Amino acid sequence: KQEVTQIPAALSVPEGENLVLNCSFTDSAIYNLQWFRQDPGKGLTSLLLIQSSQREQTSGRLNASLDKSSGRSTLYIAASQPGDSATYLCAVGEGGGFKTIFGAGTRLFVKA
Amino acid sequence: NAGVTQTPKFQVLKTGQSMTLQCAQDMNHEYMSWYRQDPGMGLRLIHYSVGAGITDQGEVPNGYNVSRSTTEDFPLRLLSAAPSQTSVYFCASSYSGRDYGYTFGSGTRLTVV
Repeated sequence: KQEVTQIPAALSVPEGENLVLNCSFTDSAIYNLQWFRQDPGKGLTSLLLIQSSQREQTSGRLNASLDKSSGRSTLYIAASQPGDSATYLCAVGEGGGFKTIFGAGTRLFVKA
Repeated sequence: NAGVTQTPKFQVLKTGQSMTLQCAQDMNHEYMSWYRQDPGMGLRLIHYSVGAGITDQGEVPNGYNVSRSTTEDFPLRLLSAAPSQTSVYFCASSYSGRDYGYTFGSGTRLTVV
């Protein structure tokens, strides 16, 4: 059974710092991997989607990488801002990509 | 505004009652799905649909039913509510479910007493 783990569970950094969030999964037979952001009491916002054949995706200050063979993905956030404070979740797609397995998330706090 | 609309936002049920959580999207997305989110855990897939008339089970389907009669709507039915179903429920949609990112609704907070 696929298990998705995100470490650390919480992270606090000063504004302006570059940071990396980690995601690991136990079964490398995935279709894709997504990173989401969730603000308190809100729904999720899709940040980046990486297909299994891709190594990375970039959007603005965000860069996500995928290493299927080692079962790892990282989300790199450059020049962090207080507005980046949120919970970040990764999710792998199985079953042809239609079944999504989520990690528990990393709660990020960026101090001004 | 284009997006995913979930109703109600809050609901309190008594054990044994039934109810339907509504989810509608106006983006012509083929893929729709339901998740529950419990404290300290990630989201868990309940049911999903890849198009009108087609549904399938996710990770935690017991106690829930779905149907997809139109592209726009994907209601989630609780047959006989139990305290273990107390959770926040999210609906999501996507063009294909696997090649495009998901759009999420704002959630329904359900308490079963």
